[in-house]
Amino acid sequence: DTAVSQTPKYLVTQMGNDKSIKCEQNLGHDTMYWYKQDSKKFLKIMFSYNNKELIINETVPNRFSPKSPDKAHLNLHINSLELGDSAVYFCASAGGRRYEQYFGPGTRLTVT
Amino acid sequence: ILNVEQSPQSLHVQEGDSTNFTCSFPSSNFYALHWYRWETAKSPEALFVMTLNGDEKKKGRISATLNTKEGYSYLYIKGSQPEDSATYLCALPGDKLIFGTGTRLQVFP
Repeated sequence: DTAVSQTPKYLVTQMGNDKSIKCEQNLGHDTMYWYKQDSKKFLKIMFSYNNKELIINETVPNRFSPKSPDKAHLNLHINSLELGDSAVYFCASAGGRRYEQYFGPGTRLTVT
Repeated sequence: ILNVEQSPQSLHVQEGDSTNFTCSFPSSNFYALHWYRWETAKSPEALFVMTLNGDEKKKGRISATLNTKEGYSYLYIKGSQPEDSATYLCALPGDKLIFGTGTRLQVFP
């Protein structure tokens, strides 16, 4: 039973294309996140949604647009992909009293 | 801006050695501290959530302690095994998780 799932796991695409990454959680959590693993392997928060509402947007280019159709899903759409967008993107969810985050398996995006 | 620091940045130990590393954080307005284990090519996995000063948590050979007054937490691994090789992250929860930079542990057989 996968708690947080992401699709696709790998995505190779050309510069200028538009692509989406999907994330779903079956934990009943209210809050979901998107992170980017940067070149130094650090996790950088991009967005956070609580109950379908955007609560954090961390200086991410407008080309990145998250969409939350319901509280179990947080998708990431990226327009006009650039070489610098190549990275691993992690989705996560959190909830309950302890609020530790459960991460998806990651999506490795390669822009050529 | 919250600053969460971890040391050392990386650590190489022999199988069977015990090891520990540190997470330092501002002691004011403390709410909770998370420890995560992040294996290469996988996703971070929660190890512990610590909230009370003096807390000690244990999971198998891994344990953690918390000192909220002085602003640090230690993670200990007893009898390290190659499968313990990973990056260990601490984080402070809030509107968003503030992650430390991690300690990269490599255990050699």
